[in-house]
Amino acid sequence: DAKTTQPPSMDCAEGRAANLPCNHSTISGNEYVYWYRQIHSQGPQYIIHGLKNNETNEMASLIITEDRKSSTLILPHATLRDTAVYYCIVRVGLDNYGQNFVFGPGTRLSVLP
Amino acid sequence: NAGVMQNPRHLVRRRGQEARLRCSPMKGHSHVYWYRQLPEEGLKFMVYLQKENIIDESGMPKERFSAEFPKEGPSILRIQQVVRGDSAAYFCASSPDLANTEAFFGQGTRLTVV
Repeated sequence: DAKTTQPPSMDCAEGRAANLPCNHSTISGNEYVYWYRQIHSQGPQYIIHGLKNNETNEMASLIITEDRKSSTLILPHATLRDTAVYYCIVRVGLDNYGQNFVFGPGTRLSVLP
Repeated sequence: NAGVMQNPRHLVRRRGQEARLRCSPMKGHSHVYWYRQLPEEGLKFMVYLQKENIIDESGMPKERFSAEFPKEGPSILRIQQVVRGDSAAYFCASSPDLANTEAFFGQGTRLTVV
């Protein structure tokens, strides 16, 4: 079962920032937070991941609270092409392999013109 | 560096036939994950393999399904005696031989059982 809780759906106006929350209150110290998205029926696309520090890349920013019990994915300037289902996943890395990625229902983000 | 390649992209099988789905991981990746997505449903984990080893198969149905990732060649997901309920999109992902790294997904194989 997924260890995260996300709102089922959100709307965002085109050009505005999209802030997608994720609750992972039972996260343990060696678990990372990953974000993926799935556009229509394509393969999931990796967005970003982090442990405890905030992370930023060309796609998005990941803000993790100090207690690590929740995080927010920020798409700074949402476009229509960002309409997708967004998945927040916690996953532990052990030695030289990790657990599988467990996908929950995610958040269906609709970017509106 | 080519991404994760899955073939075929679309596969049609009659009930009772065998389906073989192939996944070539990204170069340098030795970990492969298989997922199934039924129409209008989420991604369900099936199996996680490292070269020649099955790490986690907790999501694999007990019968008719098997997976392998040989030393040479692609990973294969095999479904024997397919039934209509096997119709779904099957995705594979790969990651490097390092913990705490991301996995990259292929575009999937859409299996239709008629």
